Amino acid sequence: GEDVEQSLFLSVREGDSSVINCTYTDSSSTYLYWYKQEPGAGLQLLTYIFSNMDMKQDQRLTVLLNKKDKHLSLRIADTQTGDSAIYFCAEAPGSGGYQKVTFGTGTKLQVIP
Amino acid sequence: GAVVSQHPSRVICKSGTSVKIECRSLDFQATTMFWYRQFPKQSLMLMATSNEGSKATYEQGVEKDKFLINHASLTLSTLTVTSAHPEDSSFYICSAPQRGVAGELFFGEGSRLTVL
Repeated sequence: GEDVEQSLFLSVREGDSSVINCTYTDSSSTYLYWYKQEPGAGLQLLTYIFSNMDMKQDQRLTVLLNKKDKHLSLRIADTQTGDSAIYFCAEAPGSGGYQKVTFGTGTKLQVIP
Repeated sequence: GAVVSQHPSRVICKSGTSVKIECRSLDFQATTMFWYRQFPKQSLMLMATSNEGSKATYEQGVEKDKFLINHASLTLSTLTVTSAHPEDSSFYICSAPQRGVAGELFFGEGSRLTVL
């Protein structure tokens, strides 16, 4: 089946940039997402990118997609303490609906003041 | 944006009892909702797809008699954990897609179940 992998933990200092990486295996992935989960809460969609895009920028967030290497990254500029959370990447094929969304293992981002 | 609400956010029950968790779409209609289970420090595992007006679709390995799902209206899906045991303790999350919003799932706040 599909597999989405992330490193488990990332620690950065406040004000620095954070880069969270993700690799996936399904070559039919059409949608690639980044979700944020704060402690004890559900997931919040941060941004998503279509597989025909290389980059998407939204304020402090920049998503880079290397489709050849099946590598997705999320860069958070000027990281703040409020960015501390678990970040999940996820992918979904073009068909099959939302139930086919596969989530990564999550990266816990710790921001040091 | 669209809002999905779960209730209760936290529940503690005795082994052998049944617990119902509600998932509501507050400002949109959801013909489909998804139920996930999340273990500590792990990703979300899709348990089942809840379909309004029809039977839920369960993922492989999920006991349908153990986890009863009812989607009685376009804004409400319920997950009932029957005869709960300590191994059922987990964080349960629901989500719903909003029609017309490409690629976006809206998640509830999650429900922490602890079975003693």
